[in-house]
Amino acid sequence: GNSVTQMEGPVTLSEEAFLTINCTYTATGYPSLFWYVQYPGEGLQLLLKATKADDKGSNKGFEATYRKETTSFHLEKGSVQVSDSAVYFCALSDRGAGANSKLTFGKGITLSVRP
Amino acid sequence: DAGVIQSPRHEVTEMGQEVTLRCKPISGHNSLFWYRQTMMRGLELLIYFNNNVPIDDSGMPEDRFSAKMPNASFSTLKIQPSEPRDSAVYFCASSFGDGLNYGYTFGSGTRLTVV
Repeated sequence: GNSVTQMEGPVTLSEEAFLTINCTYTATGYPSLFWYVQYPGEGLQLLLKATKADDKGSNKGFEATYRKETTSFHLEKGSVQVSDSAVYFCALSDRGAGANSKLTFGKGITLSVRP
Repeated sequence: DAGVIQSPRHEVTEMGQEVTLRCKPISGHNSLFWYRQTMMRGLELLIYFNNNVPIDDSGMPEDRFSAKMPNASFSTLKIQPSEPRDSAVYFCASSFGDGLNYGYTFGSGTRLTVV
């Protein structure tokens, strides 16, 4: 079955530090990959996505590249801000499942950015 | 668009009572998902609907949980009787089609506390 593995957290960084959050996946078909962000007290929001191998998703300074050879979709940002403090979820959806596709989420990782 | 609307935002109830959580998806979205989030188990998919029809309810923990979607603009998740271990944040999400291109839109969640 499909699964997503995220690095253990929490992660604490100083403002303007470089961020990498690791995500690897296992999928039986041809997944699309996503990063969602959850700010305190809110629901999850789509941050970025990639639908095929070598695609790069980007948004708000965050980037992630779909690496089929390493089954990874690591999230990066060159300079984090205090406002980036949130929980980050990696997710996949198997396009091969058609109308019954659904997202499989990782456990999430909490990022705290210090001023 | 007001987004996915969930009510109530917070619910505190006594063990054994019936609890009903409500969700209004985004107009035009035809898939609806109910998730539960806890510290121990992370984000779990309970059930999802496509065109108002339940597609997969394998995540519903037990018979005490039931979900309905009587029309395209409304869904409920009911717990009867409630137990302390049901305490969690319950999220509703909706998408157009399989959500692979635009992802899911999540509501702000209902924080349920069963005492």
